[in-house]
Amino acid sequence: VQLLESGGGLVQPGRSLRVACVASGFTFSSYTMIWVRRAPGKGLEWVSDISGSGRSTKYAASVKGRFIISRDNSKNTVFLEMTNLRAEDTAVYYCAKDPLGRYDWTDGDYYFYGMDVWGQGTTVTVSS
Amino acid sequence: QTVVTQEPSLTVSPGGTVTLTCSSSTGAVTSGHYPSWIQQKPGQPPRSLIHSTSKRSSWIPARFSGSLLGGKAALTLSGVQPEDEAEYYCLLYSGGLGVFGGGTKLTVL
Repeated sequence: VQLLESGGGLVQPGRSLRVACVASGFTFSSYTMIWVRRAPGKGLEWVSDISGSGRSTKYAASVKGRFIISRDNSKNTVFLEMTNLRAEDTAVYYCAKDPLGRYDWTDGDYYFYGMDVWGQGTTVTVSS
Repeated sequence: QTVVTQEPSLTVSPGGTVTLTCSSSTGAVTSGHYPSWIQQKPGQPPRSLIHSTSKRSSWIPARFSGSLLGGKAALTLSGVQPEDEAEYYCLLYSGGLGVFGGGTKLTVL
């Protein structure tokens, strides 16, 4: 099982950036995927997650309305589109997968809480 | 918005036992918060230890255990090793959203 993030870099405030995470070694579409970030000098922050089908997405208040999570199950890839970036979005962005890949019969989708495997992270720096 | 609180720092002797706790500003932590514990060392990505209160990832040593204790989530390290020195983060789900605690810096001395 492996997760590999890419797409980080230096971007000016107000601009956009898309980071990606390619997964391998498991049935990608059966797992919730999560983005977590760590800003310099701060702790971990849960950013967003997306259900197995991609139908359900959730966002932290700090990024809601600016970030969009999506996935392409045919390419085993999850994305985080970040718009109107701010200096406080500067961080290492990690993707992770949920630990169980549980099917929720009520929602008709795969969703579970928490993480087990993490990627190495990609660094996003927002600065002029 | 839920605030998750952890001890900022703890110190333990090698071979000893230490319990880290995690509380929620909205009340008692329950299994419905799906408490998770994540370890991070400097320069490394996070590493998941525990999910769903007490379920240990298969590659995590048995000296790490999770529980609910007095309305809080707890992570107990038994037989602490020098390599356990790290930051430990608690994650709770509230209203469907994940919220991390501020982390506990564990020193093994």
